Amino acid sequence: DQQVKQNSPSLSVQEGRISILNCDYTNSMFDYFLWYKKYPAEGPTFLISISSIKDKNEDGRFTVFLNKSAKHLSLHIVPSQPGDSAVYFCAASARGNTGKLIFGQGTTLQVKP
Amino acid sequence: KAGVTQTPRYLIKTRGQQVTLSCSPISGHRSVSWYQQTPGQGLQFLFEYFSETQRNKGNFPGRFSGRQFSNSRSEMNVSTLELGDSALYLCASSPDRRSGANVLTFGAGSRLTVL
Repeated sequence: DQQVKQNSPSLSVQEGRISILNCDYTNSMFDYFLWYKKYPAEGPTFLISISSIKDKNEDGRFTVFLNKSAKHLSLHIVPSQPGDSAVYFCAASARGNTGKLIFGQGTTLQVKP
Repeated sequence: KAGVTQTPRYLIKTRGQQVTLSCSPISGHRSVSWYQQTPGQGLQFLFEYFSETQRNKGNFPGRFSGRQFSNSRSEMNVSTLELGDSALYLCASSPDRRSGANVLTFGAGSRLTVL
């Protein structure tokens, strides 16, 4: 039972355009959502997070949107840069279980110059 | 501040052996979690330790165990290694704040190959 799903294994965009990465979840107990970026042979690096009491959070070029009724969140990267090319993981945690993240399968983003 | 440090970075073992991986969390972080990353299963939660106590456990067999020391450093052990245990093992630490954001910071991982 995969509680967090990233249905697009890969995404390719042109430099300067918008990248939109999507994530769906099934567990209503999740109340905190995070996006991590990962390069090969490295650990995931935290990008941005959002609490279930919000529907949007921005940090520079990165914006995360949360639609609780649809159990869906998305990460927008504007403008995309070649250095953004990596695997992006969506993760969720439930109240009281902040050390236990449930990850999606990841989306490989390629930003072409 | 130093990040999360994991040792060793790479290791090769044979089936039936056991392995111990070490993790030093960020100074001041009291919660340490362990994850396994494989191509087929993705990133899966193993367990979490806080104040030397296992606080949460994932769906892994008893061959996987861990512990945390009084200085928050943690170790995980896998006994009777199987080929399927080949993976990147990631440790993450967090300050475990009671309110607000509680972001996990990951180490670079220990790449285990079982032959």
